[in-house]
Amino acid sequence: EAQVTQNPRYLITVTGKKLTVTCSQNMNHEYMSWYRQDPGLGLRQIYYSMNVEVTDKGDVPEGYKVSRKEKRNFPLILESPSPNQTSLYFCASSLTGVAFSNQPQHFGDGTRLSIL
Amino acid sequence: LAKTTQPISMDSYEGQEVNITCSHNNIATNDYITWYQQFPSQGPRFIIQGYKTKVTNEVASLFIPADRKSSTLSLPRVSLSDTAVYYCLVGARAGGYNKLIFGAGTRLAVHP
Repeated sequence: EAQVTQNPRYLITVTGKKLTVTCSQNMNHEYMSWYRQDPGLGLRQIYYSMNVEVTDKGDVPEGYKVSRKEKRNFPLILESPSPNQTSLYFCASSLTGVAFSNQPQHFGDGTRLSIL
Repeated sequence: LAKTTQPISMDSYEGQEVNITCSHNNIATNDYITWYQQFPSQGPRFIIQGYKTKVTNEVASLFIPADRKSSTLSLPRVSLSDTAVYYCLVGARAGGYNKLIFGAGTRLAVHP
């Protein structure tokens, strides 16, 4: 089954404790992206990756890191989490970047992070 | 960068047609317009995508005027299960790569 898998789905942790949210897709998609969603703010893009070893900042990259060493995986790293990073996070992938193709993005089921 | 503007919320009743309009005045030549639907605690789900004129699928229709500065998502005969947030998405170019911008979304409430 074609899907985007995020882990963990829920996490409560404390300020400053490094954490990684994994994202994996099985559709051989080139484009992957991370979003955060906060009440009243909709979805905001954190980072995106056009292909292996190619990543770029989205609208709210501060406090986050990503890597794209393999095509299928795109982990989101919070080196020193802070309470303002408490949010609902979504990973997404598409065959290519949406703007130049008619390939929609497929989203994971989300990861709810609480930073105390 | 092409940003989008949508109504914050809309109300409708079962069986009615719902039209949600999105403004994207700075849309680029190669940009596609995409609409997504999101239920609470779930990831957005693709509904429809178009470039110009009209696109229709089994779920919705998308109307795009010639100047492409706006688009209208049309949901025929909505039901309670169509209650969700609807996002208009326009691909934006930044530094040679595609940077995607979600609007704030339109919260549609369908009433019995």
